Amino acid sequence: QAGLTQPPSVSKGLRQTATLTCTGNSNNIDNQGAAWLQQHQGHPPKLLSYRNNNRPSGVSERFSASRSGNTASLTITGLQPEDEADYYCSAWDSSLRAWVFGGGTKLTVL
Amino acid sequence: EVQLVESGGGLVQPGGSLRLSCAASGFTFSNYWMHWVRQAPGEGLAWVSQINEGGTTTNYAASVKGRFTISRDNAKNTLYLQMNGLRAEDTAVYYCASNLLDWGQGTLVTVSS
Repeated sequence: QAGLTQPPSVSKGLRQTATLTCTGNSNNIDNQGAAWLQQHQGHPPKLLSYRNNNRPSGVSERFSASRSGNTASLTITGLQPEDEADYYCSAWDSSLRAWVFGGGTKLTVL
Repeated sequence: EVQLVESGGGLVQPGGSLRLSCAASGFTFSNYWMHWVRQAPGEGLAWVSQINEGGTTTNYAASVKGRFTISRDNAKNTLYLQMNGLRAEDTAVYYCASNLLDWGQGTLVTVSS
């Protein structure tokens, strides 16, 4: 089924700012907003943000999410080595009656 | 502390069945939607199914609809996934998650002859 579109990889330097994007359509991101998850190799995902910019308790303020139309974004400021991970966006698709995920973006901190 | 512990994975032949379980603790299980999400080796996350708090509403990914059944027992704080007609492409680590907020460590399902 149709998913969300994310760039496969992003590379940024230490202490820089990275912005990851996620493109959907009017049935998912534009309608319901997006969630963002972080996954380190060999570990389960961790929810960073839901419904665009609600952060669960314990998630650093360096992570902020936003949405413009069909595109959701995750901005990570002051990049740290531990931010190197895979990042996934997800949204409820009201037409498919299913959650859809992006293919994930591998963030490399140089 | 929230804990989600999956079990029931293993090696199964194509066309076979497995039942996954997810034991929940540390939160009021009956208040949360629960999900199954899978991840094939070296691949991204793929949502499988969800069930509402009371077990009366379920949704499935198109790839598993008609083959997989999600259910829950709120008295036992346990989520289930009955998987029938398994295919090689169902090979993955299966995670349970509450509202996509808290996740288990996953259980590996391998479909192979």
